[in-house]
Amino acid sequence: SQTIHQWPATLVQPVGSPLSLECTVEGTSNPNLYWYRQAAGRGLQLLFYSVGIGQISSEVPQNLSASRPQDRQFILSSKKLLLSDSGFYLCAWSRTSGGFSYEQYFGPGTRLTVT
Amino acid sequence: AQTVTQSQPEMSVQEAETVTLSCTYDTSESDYYLFWYKQPPSRQMILVIRQEAYKQQNATENRFSVNFQKAAKSFSLKISDSQLGDAAMYFCAYRSLARQLTFGSGTQLTVLP
Repeated sequence: SQTIHQWPATLVQPVGSPLSLECTVEGTSNPNLYWYRQAAGRGLQLLFYSVGIGQISSEVPQNLSASRPQDRQFILSSKKLLLSDSGFYLCAWSRTSGGFSYEQYFGPGTRLTVT
Repeated sequence: AQTVTQSQPEMSVQEAETVTLSCTYDTSESDYYLFWYKQPPSRQMILVIRQEAYKQQNATENRFSVNFQKAAKSFSLKISDSQLGDAAMYFCAYRSLARQLTFGSGTQLTVLP
C-alpha cells in the first residue's frame, strides 16, 4: 500500500530564517506530487505541483519554492520566511493515467509558525 | 474560472441521524471529477467519496452517498446514521484535465450525542 510522509510535524521559525519541508511517498512510482497551504479556518490553496523529477509548476507567486530531487521526494523551501508564510502545509500525491491524475492522497501535514 | 462553493460554513446533526452537505461548482467543461474530503481535528485530509461527471449513477461509500446534479452543477454529500467520528471539516473539490484540484471553503460538521 502507499504511504506519504511529511516532516517535521511542527515547526516554529523566526522571520528571515530559511525553510525546508520534506515529503516522501512510498509504495508507488512516478506519482504526481503537490504542495498545499491551508490558512486557519480556510480551504486549501495549491502552491506547487510536479509531474516528474525536476519538473515543478507554480500556481501562485510567493516567497516559496519547490524541488523534486528524486521520484518520490518533494521539498518545499524558502530562503527567508515571512510572517505571512505561517500556516498548515500539506503534501499530496496522485496516480497518473493517460496524463490525467485522479484523486489525491494527503500527508499528515506540517504546522509552520513564523514568529 | 472554476469555482467551488460551499454555502454552509457550519452544520450539526444528531448522532444516528442523516445530514446533507451542499456544494455547487462553476465550470464550462464536460469532463471532470468531484470529490468530498474530510479533515478531522488531526487535520489530515481523507478522501471520502468521488464522482465522475460522465457517470449518471450517484457514488456511494457505505454511509456516505452523493446527489450529483450535473445540469444544476450541484454535488451534495449525504451522511446517514451519523457517528461521533464523522465530526470534521468537509471539503468539496473539483478536478478536470485542464485544472488542478480546486477546493471549496469547507463545512464544519458537528455531531451531537
